[in-house]
Parts: sequence; structure tokens; C-alpha cells
Amino acid sequence: DAGVIQSPRHEVTEMGQEVTLRCKPISGHDYLFWYRQTMMRGLELLIYFNNNVPIDDSGMPEDRFSAKMPNASFSTLKIQPSEPRDSAVYFCASSWEGYGYTFGSGTRLTVV
Amino acid sequence: GIQVEQSPPDLILQEGANSTLRCNFSDSVNNLQWFHQNPWGQLINLFYIPSGTKQNGRLSATTVATERYSLLYISSSQTTDSGVYFCAVNAGNNRKLIWGLGTSLAVNP
Repeated sequence: DAGVIQSPRHEVTEMGQEVTLRCKPISGHDYLFWYRQTMMRGLELLIYFNNNVPIDDSGMPEDRFSAKMPNASFSTLKIQPSEPRDSAVYFCASSWEGYGYTFGSGTRLTVV
Repeated sequence: GIQVEQSPPDLILQEGANSTLRCNFSDSVNNLQWFHQNPWGQLINLFYIPSGTKQNGRLSATTVATERYSLLYISSSQTTDSGVYFCAVNAGNNRKLIWGLGTSLAVNP
């Protein structure tokens, strides 16, 4: 398996633009997690899905953030409109039964 | 909620040295994982170890669930071991991991 695949690896966008981050989990994994990492706040869980259903989105910072998982092999995290304070590395991770995470390589987002 | 404390916060080693990293947690857990974040930012799962001992090459981990701590041993350290080591736990049916602040390790040649 190629592991958890995230795209793009880097994204630079202007304030106010829509940003879409993508994630392909490991085949057979039933949990998918979206994290954000900054120097100030460390790793923050934004949302997680079980069998494509959102279970806990309490970490989503505000209504500008949304996440979907239309099927078992694809998830998106969307920020609209983006702001400079959204600049961070966004990680996707998947696991089976919620144990033994595998992380993707992350998307480094810069909003200018 | 569960508190996770890692020690030491920072560690500097000479190549070839051994080290022990500690993770204390405040309540019973059913999931404990150790991760390594390398200097390029990649997060690698080292061990899923809610109890017992596991070994993988130069790394090994032991979790004593009854005493609420876990240890990560690095033997014969190499410069590629540099980075931040995180411990993360959860309990019950909640799959949300609670993360420690990490131990930042620098291995000098």
C-alpha cells in the first residue's frame, strides 16, 4: 500500500481564496482524522470520520472550515474564505478501529 | 480528561548513546502510541502499545498500564533519530487521541 496520500504537498494562496486539501486513506482503514499543526498550538485534531461518517468535529475552528468523506477512499478539508491565521501544516491520518495511526506527509498551507 | 506528560522535554545525545523517553498518563487508557516526527515534519507511528513490551530494531517500548506510564528506549542512537517523539493516548470509545507535548531529540555526530 502506498500509505496515506495527501495533496497538494504545498499550497500558497491569497487571503479570501478557497482552499481544498485532499486525502486518500489506506485501503481497509475505517477511521480518518484531520489534524492541524502549528508552532504555537502543536497538533490539533480538527475532525474524524468512522466509516465515512463524521464523528467528532469539535476541533473545527469555525464555519470557514468544512470536511467531507464521500467514500472510503477520499476525504477533503475545505477552507473558505482562507485567512493568514490558517497557515499551518495539515495532516490526514487513517487507522483501523481507531488504533495504530498512519499519517500522510501533510500539506503545508501558506495564506498571504 | 486524561493528561499526558512527557519527559524530558529536550535531549541532546552523541551518536551511539542510549536514551529513555518517558510518558506518564493520568488515567486508564486502551490505546497508547509513540510517534516520531522527523526534521522534515513527517510523522511516523513507531509503536501501538497499550500494554507490554515491543521491539523494532534499535527501538523498544514498554507500557506499564497499571502504573500509567510508558517508556521508549533508543539504543545506539543515530543522527537520523533526531526529531520530536510524541506519546498519545485515548480511552473508552472515543478515538480522539490526547497528545503529549513531545520530547525533542537531537543526536550529534
